[in-house]
Amino acid sequence: DTGVSQNPRHKITKRGQNVTFRCDPISEHNRLYWYRQTLGQGPEFLTYFQNEAQLEKSRLLSDRFSAERPKGSFSTLEIQRTEQGDSAMYLCASILTSGQPEAFFGQGTRLTVV
Amino acid sequence: AQKITQTQPGMFVQEKEAVTLDCTYDTSDPSYGLFWYKQPSSGEMIFLIYQGSYDQQNATEGRYSLNFQKARKSANLVISASQLGDSAMYFCAMRDRNTGKLIFGQGTTLQVKP
Repeated sequence: DTGVSQNPRHKITKRGQNVTFRCDPISEHNRLYWYRQTLGQGPEFLTYFQNEAQLEKSRLLSDRFSAERPKGSFSTLEIQRTEQGDSAMYLCASILTSGQPEAFFGQGTRLTVV
Repeated sequence: AQKITQTQPGMFVQEKEAVTLDCTYDTSDPSYGLFWYKQPSSGEMIFLIYQGSYDQQNATEGRYSLNFQKARKSANLVISASQLGDSAMYFCAMRDRNTGKLIFGQGTTLQVKP
């Protein structure tokens, strides 16, 4: 297993456009998390899935954001009508709740809204 | 509410010397987990070390050790024999027991001088 994979690594989009990011977790991991990290800050929790069920959404996740994890495998995070304030690094992490305590992170998708 | 505080925005250390990165936490939950992650400029979050609240001994992983002082609610990271490749951002994080989500501190930028 090559670890958590995120695509694309970088995305530049014009304000008002929709963007979608993908995360492929470690295959046997049952929980998947999305975080947002702005420059010079620590990551902030956005949402998480247990298998295919989305169990919690942060208040940071406005109605322009939607996330899915069909069949409990990969996950997508979509941002509609992007705003300049959406510019950030979007990180995905996965864990196996019965396994090691640490979450494994992908390399992130850096979004720039111009 | 759970909170992580890292009060050192930036630290310098001479190559081959030891350095301590500070972390204090706040939680009312008697059971919790504390983590340190390293984030190089590439953006990926790399797990370094974990300490469970009920662990009797301080965690160690190679050159990394965690100075866990439960009564003071501190979990400082000690890096021994610093290397140039240790230059990065370091984050302390606490795991929510129910959801597994991580609450991160603001981070400390470490620069290792040759």
